[in-house]
Amino acid sequence: DSGVTQTPKHLITATGQRVTLRCSPRSGDLSVYWYQQSLDQGLQFLIQYYNGEERAKGNILERFSAQQFPDLHSELNLSSLELGDSALYFCASSVGDTEDNEQFFGPGTRLTVL
Amino acid sequence: QQPVQSPQAVILREGEDAVINCSSSKALYSVHWYRQKHGEAPVFLMILLKGGEQKGHEKISASFNEKKQQSSLYLTASQLSYSGTYFCGTEGESGAGSYQLTFGKGTKLSVIP
Repeated sequence: DSGVTQTPKHLITATGQRVTLRCSPRSGDLSVYWYQQSLDQGLQFLIQYYNGEERAKGNILERFSAQQFPDLHSELNLSSLELGDSALYFCASSVGDTEDNEQFFGPGTRLTVL
Repeated sequence: QQPVQSPQAVILREGEDAVINCSSSKALYSVHWYRQKHGEAPVFLMILLKGGEQKGHEKISASFNEKKQQSSLYLTASQLSYSGTYFCGTEGESGAGSYQLTFGKGTKLSVIP
């Protein structure tokens, strides 16, 4: 158990819908990262927040957005869902925001878009 | 740019050694290695920093050749528990004081009795 929690564990929805994924980082960690993992693309970095502020942006679609709240939990919002958005979404956290910080991954949310 | 990992898959017998390579087309600040077992989240193995500092644990070691922009993960005397998919994540110049990890597609390692 990494100490990072994600809800829900599974999510099944239809195309065109909107969903929210939630992540609570480990106690004391200020950075939260979101990743998308699909079979053919591997782990794709989406976005990072540090202490409530957006710090880095990766391959995140405009239909996706995220935020980190004052209590440091984070939410990833996915809208106008398409079949191709089906994937495993991981949240990770780390103490700081520098390159020498190990990231602790949550169990993931498996999103299925029908 | 996504780093390239090789091999894509490898099968070992218990006790054998393996090397997984990770190469990038751009200058790197650090290389991270993670292992993911089927149906589970990735788990941190180690970080190699520019300048030679290394953070890790267990019986797994790694090297980082900054000039060649390559890293290798060495698994010695493999155990059944080593089975999983190994990902390298590279951090390069991203500017503005931020950094992001770009992961390779992974190397699937299977250790058999």
